[in-house]
Amino acid sequence: DIVMTQAPLSVSVTPGESASISCRSSKSLLHSNGITYVYWYLQKPGKSPQLLIYRMSNLASGVPDRFSGSGSETDFTLKISRVEAEDVGIYYCGQLLENPWTFGGGTKLELK
Amino acid sequence: EVQLVESGGGLVQPGRSLKLSCVASGFTFNNYWMTWIRQAPGKGLEWVASITNTGGSTYYPDSVKGRFTISRDNAKSTLYLQMNSLRSEDTATYYCTKGRFDYWGQGVMVTVSS
Repeated sequence: DIVMTQAPLSVSVTPGESASISCRSSKSLLHSNGITYVYWYLQKPGKSPQLLIYRMSNLASGVPDRFSGSGSETDFTLKISRVEAEDVGIYYCGQLLENPWTFGGGTKLELK
Repeated sequence: EVQLVESGGGLVQPGRSLKLSCVASGFTFNNYWMTWIRQAPGKGLEWVASITNTGGSTYYPDSVKGRFTISRDNAKSTLYLQMNSLRSEDTATYYCTKGRFDYWGQGVMVTVSS
């Protein structure tokens, strides 16, 4: 199984500042079709997870462009610029390259 | 607007069965794979089962293989999860998701306890 490892476990950010969350996979997520199958989700307090980024760097519908995704074949970064109060929650990376589909353990973002 | 509405959760004794449902709307249901994902209390996300758009193929992790069965009724735009031989470690909120998990339902709680 592909293991997804996130860091840090938690991050505290001043509103208006930026934040970065890292995710590492135990195997390359680059498919032969050129697509890297890493996804990012945000679970706001008491809510269901929502998709933020798909295929490493594509912004999901309705997601502010303060969010961006980047990376290589095994190392990925979610960046949030100009953090706002509504960004608080737990961020998960996930790999959808191969079965079993797996997720990182989550990174909790809170405000200072 | 995409909507996924789960139902069927509750408290069940170990070894018993439960069937979850998810009614979908706002998209062409029979065009998409569908997936169940669960989250144990205070824990992360775990993939539980997926089914192709026609229902012709299903996929499970080892943790539920042989105990859980995913199915769908495209005429009713409804996804199901039949859970048998339930264990305490199956206690979680179960989410219905569309496609590559681009939309999630509100979740339904399943508690396995005597």
